[in-house]
Amino acid sequence: AQTVTQSQPEMSVQEAETVTLSCTYDTSESDYYLFWYKQPPSRQMILVIRQEAYKQQNATENRFSVNFQKAAKSFSLKISDSQLGDAAMYFCAYRSANIWGTSYGKLTFGQGTILTVHP
Amino acid sequence: EPEVTQTPSHQVTQMGQEVILRCVPISNHLYFYWYRQILGQKVEFLVSFYNNEISEKSEIFDDQFSVERPDGSNFTLKIRSTKLEDSAMYFCASSEALKRGHEQFFGPGTRLTVL
Repeated sequence: AQTVTQSQPEMSVQEAETVTLSCTYDTSESDYYLFWYKQPPSRQMILVIRQEAYKQQNATENRFSVNFQKAAKSFSLKISDSQLGDAAMYFCAYRSANIWGTSYGKLTFGQGTILTVHP
Repeated sequence: EPEVTQTPSHQVTQMGQEVILRCVPISNHLYFYWYRQILGQKVEFLVSFYNNEISEKSEIFDDQFSVERPDGSNFTLKIRSTKLEDSAMYFCASSEALKRGHEQFFGPGTRLTVL
């Protein structure tokens, strides 16, 4: 079974600065997806960024980028030029890419990291 | 922009009562999911649903739980006889497909409190 671990329950950053959220995972599969989801207070989770395991290049979406280290099973999220609107709970999640497996659709989440942005 | 919606936002019930949590997935989506998050714990997968049947369920999803898509738009989660430990936030999600690149879109959640 896959597991996802976020070891930072809370992080804080000053507005306009950079913060990195950590995530590690464990799997025996070679093909999978990794995601970062953002959940603002009392709002739904929205997808921030996605990485496909077979792609060596790190994904980037505007101010959000990942550092994907497949061998180390590490998937960190870097937020540059932090904004007040980035304050939220951030979840790292794993999904199998094995269409013949029994866990193809489900997401496995980490514990979440609460990010506070100080003005 | 299309969104997944869930009702009610908060449900309070007595232990042993039946509850139905409702979700309206995005209209052209074909895959539906329920997850839950007990306060202070991880978001956990409960069940996935496709083509009017369960695709996969977790060990949490026992005989007390059932899902249904009664009318082609709603997707419901029923808990037949609630227990104190069912108190949690329940999230519905939907996706257009399972192909590469298709993300799951989440609803805002229903907070279930069992007294």
